Amino acid sequence: AQTVTQSQPEMSVQEAETVTLSCTYDTSENNYYLFWYKQPPSRQMILVIRQEAYKQQNATENRFSVNFQKAAKSFSLKISDSQLGDTAMYFCAFMKPLSTGTASKLTFGTGTRLQVTL
Amino acid sequence: KAGVTQTPRYLIKTRGQQVTLSCSPISGHRSVSWYQQTPGQGLQFLFEYFSETQRNKGNFPGRFSGRQFSNSRSEMNVSTLELGDSALYLCASRKQGTVSNTEAFFGQGTRLTVV
Repeated sequence: AQTVTQSQPEMSVQEAETVTLSCTYDTSENNYYLFWYKQPPSRQMILVIRQEAYKQQNATENRFSVNFQKAAKSFSLKISDSQLGDTAMYFCAFMKPLSTGTASKLTFGTGTRLQVTL
Repeated sequence: KAGVTQTPRYLIKTRGQQVTLSCSPISGHRSVSWYQQTPGQGLQFLFEYFSETQRNKGNFPGRFSGRQFSNSRSEMNVSTLELGDSALYLCASRKQGTVSNTEAFFGQGTRLTVV
């Protein structure tokens, strides 16, 4: 079974600064997908960024980027130019496609609560 | 385009009762998954439905069940409620469930409280 570990329960960053959230995972699979989801107080999970394991290039979405280290099974999220609206719980998630090649369930870490301050 | 809609948003039930939660996926999405979120256990996968068939199931007791209708709307049912079933239940939809459509869109959840 796959496991996802987020070792930082809470983090704080000042507005406009950069923060990095850590995530490690354990799997014996070679083909899988990794995600960062954001859950603001509204409770709705929002996809922040996605990484395919077979791609060596780190994914980037505007102010959000990842550092994907496949051998180390590490998948950290960097938020640049932090904004007040980035305040939320951030979950790292793993997905192994089914043998049929279809998308499957997400395995989540325990989350990191990020507070962006003035 | 409407997002994933979950009803009701809040629910209070008594131990031993049963409850049905509803999820309407984004129009055109055929895959619906359910997750339970609690402070102690975090986010755990319950089950996934695709084209009215359960395709995957998490490690939950048989009191938890679900179904999907021909219009892709899904319901989950919990029978003989226990205090530990108090949680936020999240529904997520995907367009087709193929690996090329990996993004899961989540609803705002149903907060179930068992007293």
